[in-house]
Amino acid sequence: SQTIHQWPATLVQPVGSPLSLECTVEGTSNPNLYWYRQAAGRGLQLLFYSVGIGQISSEVPQNLSASRPQDRQFILSSKKLLLSDSGFYLCAWTVGASYGYTFGSGTRLTVV
Amino acid sequence: AQSVTQLGSHVSVSEGALVLLRCNYSSSVPPYLFWYVQYPNQGLQLLLKYTTGATLVKGINGFEAEFKKSETSFHLTKPSAHMSDAAEYFCAVSGPNAGKSTFGDGTTLTVKP
Repeated sequence: SQTIHQWPATLVQPVGSPLSLECTVEGTSNPNLYWYRQAAGRGLQLLFYSVGIGQISSEVPQNLSASRPQDRQFILSSKKLLLSDSGFYLCAWTVGASYGYTFGSGTRLTVV
Repeated sequence: AQSVTQLGSHVSVSEGALVLLRCNYSSSVPPYLFWYVQYPNQGLQLLLKYTTGATLVKGINGFEAEFKKSETSFHLTKPSAHMSDAAEYFCAVSGPNAGKSTFGDGTTLTVKP
């Protein structure tokens, strides 16, 4: 069966510290992968997407970066966190525009 | 370019009453439309989708939505609300560019006993 794993579930990090969030997909090959951020009471903002290994597209200039070292692994990183990086981060995958997304369970990041 | 507008950030209904959550979209190509549900501190779950064909689509948990091209709308309905329907609902549109989806700001549904 197809599943998506995202970890950690919660994270509290000091300003200026690094960040690494990981997402892995099982049960499918060559998925499109996405990182979204959800601010409190607001919709989802697309941060990065990837259509293949090593192919990363950024939607919004920011303090974050993404990598896809393997077909079903997607990593969100930062070298130095800002307070404004706090939020709920969601990883998602799909095999095509008409299929809809399958989301991970999310990571609640609080930068203090 | 594509966009989604959800009318009403909060909707409150009584248990057993009709649920109507409104969504209007803008898309330069024939759209794929989706409704997702999110429970607190969880990821989003796909409720239903419209791709082509029948304009009335049925999803999980008794929800359905109707695609109206002339009104650029994709409203979500459920005939009788249940307490377990209380959650946040997101409408989304996707296009051919890498399957990227654009989401509305969400509607929080409250169900009163």
